[in-house]
Amino acid sequence: GQQVMQIPQYQHVQEGEDFTTYCNSSTTLSNIQWYKQRPGGHPVFLIQLVKSGEVKKQKRLTFQFGEAKKNSSLHITATQTTDVGTYFCAGNRLYNQGGKLIFGQGTELSVKP
Amino acid sequence: EAQVTQNPRYLITVTGKKLTVTCSQNMNHEYMSWYRQDPGLGLRQIYYSMNVEVTDKGDVPEGYKVSRKEKRNFPLILESPSPNQTSLYFCASSSPGQFDEQYFGPGTRLTVT
Repeated sequence: GQQVMQIPQYQHVQEGEDFTTYCNSSTTLSNIQWYKQRPGGHPVFLIQLVKSGEVKKQKRLTFQFGEAKKNSSLHITATQTTDVGTYFCAGNRLYNQGGKLIFGQGTELSVKP
Repeated sequence: EAQVTQNPRYLITVTGKKLTVTCSQNMNHEYMSWYRQDPGLGLRQIYYSMNVEVTDKGDVPEGYKVSRKEKRNFPLILESPSPNQTSLYFCASSSPGQFDEQYFGPGTRLTVT
C-alpha cells in the first residue's frame, strides 16, 4: 500500500497567500524529490533533497527534508496563478532500489486571482 | 530535444483485447518506469527497469507486462485489459546519480469498456 502520505489533498488560496504541502513516510528515505504537474500535463521535476535537515530554495519555493528523513514540506510564498497545479513528493527508500520511487497522493493547488 | 515519447496518447478499447503502449527515450537513460495515475491515489509505479533485460515489479504490477530489449524502449503490455485498468499512464526515465530526476512522457489516457 501507499507508504508516503501527503496532505492536504486540495488547497484553494487567494493569490498572494502562502501555501504549504506536507509529505510523511512510514519508513526512512534516502532522498526525496518534488514534482509539479500542471493541469492536463505531466509531472515535472522540481528538486531533490538528500541530507537530513536540508533546506533548499527556488525563488518563492522552499523545500525542507526532516531530520529523521521521514518527512518533507514544500512552502510557496505569495502564490501566483502560475503556481496552479498538483505537487507531488516522491521518496526513495533508505536501501535504494534504483528508480523505485514511492509517490505521495499529491496536493492540488488552485489560486484565485 | 531530450524527451520521453509515448504512443498512443489516447486509447479506448474493450475488455480482453490485448494492447501495447510504447515508450521511448532519447537520453540514454538506464532507468525507466511505468506509472498509473488515478484521482486521489497519486502516481503508483507499475514496473521499472534498471537496464536492458532487467525489470522488476512496482507497487501495482498485476495485469501488466513489460519488456526492455533495447535501452531506449520500454513498452507496457496489457494482455487482457479490464475496466479497472482505465487510467492515465505515464512512462518515465532517469539516470542514476546525485540528481536522478525522472523525466516523464506526456501520458496515455486509456479507457477500457
